[in-house]
Amino acid sequence: AQTVTQSQPEMSVQEAETVTLSCTYDTSENNYYLFWYKQPPSRQMILVIRQEAYKQQNATENRFSVNFQKAAKSFSLKISDSQLGDTAMYFCAFMSPTNGQNFVFGPGTRLSVLP
Amino acid sequence: DGGITQSPKYLFRKEGQNVTLSCEQNLNHDAMYWYRQDPGQGLRLIYYSQIVNDFQKGDIAEGYSVSREKKESFPLTVTSAQKNPTAFYLCASRIGFTEAFFGQGTRLTVV
Repeated sequence: AQTVTQSQPEMSVQEAETVTLSCTYDTSENNYYLFWYKQPPSRQMILVIRQEAYKQQNATENRFSVNFQKAAKSFSLKISDSQLGDTAMYFCAFMSPTNGQNFVFGPGTRLSVLP
Repeated sequence: DGGITQSPKYLFRKEGQNVTLSCEQNLNHDAMYWYRQDPGQGLRLIYYSQIVNDFQKGDIAEGYSVSREKKESFPLTVTSAQKNPTAFYLCASRIGFTEAFFGQGTRLTVV
């Protein structure tokens, strides 16, 4: 079974600085999808960024980018120019087309952006 | 606007009572999911459904039941067999190999 690990339960960063959240996963699949979700205090789950494993190019969405290392099974999220609104729980998630297409979520990292 | 609607936002259950959480989507998505989230923890899969009239147990299905009579609807019943139901419940849907879209959640509390 696939597992997703986020080794940083909590992190903090100063406003306008850069922070990187770690995620590792375990799978024997070759084709899969990885996601970062943000859950602010409202508890609404919001997609931050998505990466297909067959694409070597790292995904980027404005201030958010990933470092996808397929061989190392690592999928870290970099947030540049951190803003107060980035304060949230961040969940890394894995989805395999052959695993019932279900999502497996990591335990989350609580990020606090400090003014 | 297309989206997923969960209701109610807050729900209180008495001991021994069954309660049903509603999840409706107008995104024309095939797959729907129910997750449970406990404080400070990630999401755990309760049930999922890939098509109408079919659903599968997730990792923590005991004490829960679902139905999928319509593509748009995937209600979750928390039965009296669920001994620790106090949690935040999230419904999600997906089509193809895209991301999951989530509802706003229901907070269930046992009183």
